[in-house]
Amino acid sequence: DIQMTQSPSSLSASVGDRVTITCRTSQNINNYLNWYQQKPGEAPKLLIYAASNLQSGVPSRFSGSGSGTDFTLTVHSLQPEDIATYYCQQSFSGPRTFGQGTRVEI
Amino acid sequence: EVQLVESGGGLVQPGRSLTLSCVASGFPFEDFAMHWVRQAPGKGLEWVSGISWDSKNIDYGDSVKGRVSISRDNAKKSLYLQIYSLRVEDTALYYCVKEYGSGSFDHWGQGTLVTVSS
Repeated sequence: DIQMTQSPSSLSASVGDRVTITCRTSQNINNYLNWYQQKPGEAPKLLIYAASNLQSGVPSRFSGSGSGTDFTLTVHSLQPEDIATYYCQQSFSGPRTFGQGTRVEI
Repeated sequence: EVQLVESGGGLVQPGRSLTLSCVASGFPFEDFAMHWVRQAPGKGLEWVSGISWDSKNIDYGDSVKGRVSISRDNAKKSLYLQIYSLRVEDTALYYCVKEYGSGSFDHWGQGTLVTVSS
């Protein structure tokens, strides 16, 4: 199975900051990497699919990059409504493993 | 509007079985792969199982393999998950999820809570 290593596990930032979350996979997954946002008490929401494609309706301050084994989710100007836990997930092969999650606080 | 509505959760004793259901609406259910993802209280997301649109391709997560069975009924726009020999560690919120481009998950239900306890 493909292992996911997401970092950091939590971070604290200020409104307007640029925030970066990384995800590393145990083998090459091309660009089959997706990012989700989960707010407390809510179901997860798809933000980015195929490493860099912004899901419809997601604010443009979110962006994704990377390929192979190293990926990044960037929030270019953090807003109060971005308080959430963020997860990466691979959809290349086998079990659709998720990263451990990154809790973002302000 | 896409809607995924799960049901079937509840309090169950260890060793018993349970069937979860998900009814879909707002999209051509028969054209999309579907999945179950669970989340234990205060923990992260864990993929449980997935099924292709035609039920020909099915896969299970390592922690549940041999104890769960996924199925679907396209005529009823419904997805199912049977869990056998329930364990305390199966306690979680179980989400029904629709697959999208590149295998991502674009729509999630609100989840059904399964609590395994004696």
